[in-house]
Amino acid sequence: AQSVTQPDIHITVSEGASLELRCNYSYGATPYLFWYVQSPGQGLQLLLKYFSGDTLVQGIKGFEAEFKRSQSSFNLRKPSVHWSDAAEYFCAVGNPGGGNKLTFGTGTQLKVEL
Amino acid sequence: KAGVTQTPRYLIKTRGQQVTLSCSPISGHRSVSWYQQTPGQGLQFLFEYFSETQRNKGNFPGRFSGRQFSNSRSEMNVSTLELGDSALYLCASSLSRRPGETQYFGPGTRLLVL
Repeated sequence: AQSVTQPDIHITVSEGASLELRCNYSYGATPYLFWYVQSPGQGLQLLLKYFSGDTLVQGIKGFEAEFKRSQSSFNLRKPSVHWSDAAEYFCAVGNPGGGNKLTFGTGTQLKVEL
Repeated sequence: KAGVTQTPRYLIKTRGQQVTLSCSPISGHRSVSWYQQTPGQGLQFLFEYFSETQRNKGNFPGRFSGRQFSNSRSEMNVSTLELGDSALYLCASSLSRRPGETQYFGPGTRLLVL
């Protein structure tokens, strides 16, 4: 069964600093990978997704992620964090066979210090 | 275009009662999926509906059920509520069931079982 691991439960960065959130997946074939963000009391918003092609994916709000098959990773990065980026971030893997079931990681809570 | 809407946003029930939650997908979207979010278990897939048929089901007891109507609106029902059913229930819609299809999430219904 596919699974997703987000090793960092909490991360604190200073505003303006760079950010990298880690995500590792377990799946035999090329997975469909997603990063979502959730602000308090809100639903999930898609930041970016990968399903083929260029392994560096650009998303909204200045985020990018790089798919590395050799490391089974799909880490999310941002060069300069803004205070409004404070939220919880979820990595998820989709079902390559079709269908919309997503398997989520446990999430990383990002705190931004001013 | 209006986003995914969920009603009600908040709900308080007592153990043993049943509850029905509603989800209206984005116009034109035919797939609706449901997820349960709790602090302990994280985000877990409940089920997916497409063209009024359940296409996939997560590992939840039979007390959790759902349906989809011809206009793609979906409802989920939880019978004989337990304290552990307290959670944020999220609905997501997408155009199709193609691999990698983007899912758009609603704001969720927060259910508290007393």
